Amino acid sequence: DTEVTQTPKHLVMGMTNKKSLKCEQHMGHRAMYWYKQKAKKPPELMFVYSYEKLSINESVPSRFSPECPNSSLLNLHLHALQPEDSALYLCASSPGQGTGGYEQYFGPGTRLTVT
Amino acid sequence: GDSVTQMEGPVTLSEEAFLTINCTYTATGYPSLFWYVQYPGEGLQLLLKATKADDKGSNKGFEATYRKETTSFHLEKGSVQVSDSAVYFCALREGYQKVTFGTGTKLQVIP
Repeated sequence: DTEVTQTPKHLVMGMTNKKSLKCEQHMGHRAMYWYKQKAKKPPELMFVYSYEKLSINESVPSRFSPECPNSSLLNLHLHALQPEDSALYLCASSPGQGTGGYEQYFGPGTRLTVT
Repeated sequence: GDSVTQMEGPVTLSEEAFLTINCTYTATGYPSLFWYVQYPGEGLQLLLKATKADDKGSNKGFEATYRKETTSFHLEKGSVQVSDSAVYFCALREGYQKVTFGTGTKLQVIP
């Protein structure tokens, strides 16, 4: 199983709502990632979890709150978002940390629209 | 810091034409290099990779060779199909987990 799954596929939320994005992988990978991708742009790294601990936060606003409950699951909690946060949110995983060819496997993404 | 430069798109080709998408990189050490493909409305899929100089990555008829002397990792395919229409991202990974992506090149293949 080389699949990363993400739910929901689409999400529309108001600026006062609280919602969560979910990501799951069953490849035994120990590193998981959240990316934000705007139209016609490459993905931008938001957070990295390694062995269930937050290892990288790319200065993301606190209205985005990541959580890694276990090695297979990654959540992104959303609160008080702005319309400019509308984007495709991608989750990815890789076998672990360190150098080498640890390619990242991406999920299909959640298309988020903030109204 | 690390960077990846890709040719501007869109690249428009007729079916069965030869494809080259140029990619050059800047890195301080010895990065691993990747090509990802993103079909409309989908996430990124790893297309191929190379982890050291002179390695050739290949998959689904696509190939790219890690050229340290020219700091390049150009993507090629001998005969493109309409189904290859997508956005292609060149990327490198050096050090602890962080991947640097190029800006992406959109490929349009017309019948």
